Amino acid sequence: AQTVTQSQPEMSVQEAETVTLSCTYDTSESDYYLFWYKQPPSRQMILVIRQEAYKQQNATENRFSVNFQKAAKSFSLKISDSQLGDAAMYFCAYRSRQGAQKLVFGQGTRLTINP
Amino acid sequence: DARVTQTPRHKVTEMGQEVTMRCQPILGHNTVFWYRQTMMQGLELLAYFRNRAPLDDSGMPKDRFSAEMPDATLATLKIQPSEPRDSAVYFCASGLAPGTGTSPLHFGNGTRLTVT
Repeated sequence: AQTVTQSQPEMSVQEAETVTLSCTYDTSESDYYLFWYKQPPSRQMILVIRQEAYKQQNATENRFSVNFQKAAKSFSLKISDSQLGDAAMYFCAYRSRQGAQKLVFGQGTRLTINP
Repeated sequence: DARVTQTPRHKVTEMGQEVTMRCQPILGHNTVFWYRQTMMQGLELLAYFRNRAPLDDSGMPKDRFSAEMPDATLATLKIQPSEPRDSAVYFCASGLAPGTGTSPLHFGNGTRLTVT
């Protein structure tokens, strides 16, 4: 079974600085998707960024980018120019393209933005 | 802007009562998931439907939980009888099956269940 590990329960960063959230996963598959979701205090789950495993180019969405290292099974999220609205729980998630195709989540990283 | 709709947003009930949570997936999505979120366990998958057929409910306590999709516009999660340990936020999510795009799941706002 696939597992996702986020080793940083909490992170903090100064406003306008850059922060990187770590995520590793375990799988024997070669074709899958990876996602980062954001959950603010409102508890809504918001998709931040997505990556397809067959694409070597790292995904970017405005201030959010990923460092996808397929061989190392690593999928970190970089937030540039951090803003107060970025404060939230961030979840890394894995979805297979075969089989049950479940979305498996890591335990989350709570990000605090210091003004 | 299409979104997943969950009702109710909050539910407080007494132990032993039946609880029904409802979800309206995004029109056109053919996969529906139910997740439970607690501080201790994080996000746990309870059930998964594709084209309204249950594919995986291994994460769901079978003796008291049941999940159904009576039609493509409605998914339900029932707990009978409810217990205090069922207190959690329950999320419904919908999406397209992988192979038809990058397949992110779109989440509803969740139902916060409190069982006293």
